[in-house]
Amino acid sequence: EVQLVESGGGLVQPGRSLKLSCLASGFTFSNYGMNWIRQAPGKGLEWVASISSSSSYIYYADTVKGRFTISRDNAKNTLYLQMTSLRSEDTALYYCARLGELRRVRGWFAYWGQGTLVTVSS
Amino acid sequence: DIQMTQSPASLSASLGETVTIECLASEDIYSNLAWYQQKPGKSPQLLIYDASSLQDGVPSRFSGSESGTQYSLEINSLQSEDAATYFCQQHHDYPPTFGGGTKLELK
Repeated sequence: EVQLVESGGGLVQPGRSLKLSCLASGFTFSNYGMNWIRQAPGKGLEWVASISSSSSYIYYADTVKGRFTISRDNAKNTLYLQMTSLRSEDTALYYCARLGELRRVRGWFAYWGQGTLVTVSS
Repeated sequence: DIQMTQSPASLSASLGETVTIECLASEDIYSNLAWYQQKPGKSPQLLIYDASSLQDGVPSRFSGSESGTQYSLEINSLQSEDAATYFCQQHHDYPPTFGGGTKLELK
């Protein structure tokens, strides 16, 4: 069974940093592209960042480019999102999600974690 | 960026009815469209990918279709568990973009 478990969320002041993690199990992590997607309270879905299976291709939304860094450790089956210079508008539930197809760079999000809440407030 | 315009924003229907939700892409996305269902307090679940392919385990009352840049999700024989918010997402090009969502309420 595919499982994605996010952690690392919390309350943080504007301008500070936070690092999210997503521990994957139930599939060969190194074979799939991974993503972070966020959802502000009561709002829709916003894609944040993607990383290919071997970390060769990385993409960011314009809203986080230069502030967030996506990375992965295939030996630890873990996806990360380092967030710096946080703003109030970054407040959201952050999901990690796995792509549906093997070794693809883009595609549909076949599996989602339960999310970790990031609140940016003074 | 490719814009996905989803409609309606909300709808109310009765058990057993059929409903259709639509997404209009701002340019050709070549059938690279997915549909998700999100129930309150839960993470989104994939229903359909590549416009009309049903994800494993999803009931056959869900179906997807397309006409040009217009994509549709049809839910037949509505069940109580179908009450949720539905989102479309294009996976043709970066950045992946979502529709605004459709909240389906059961009468």
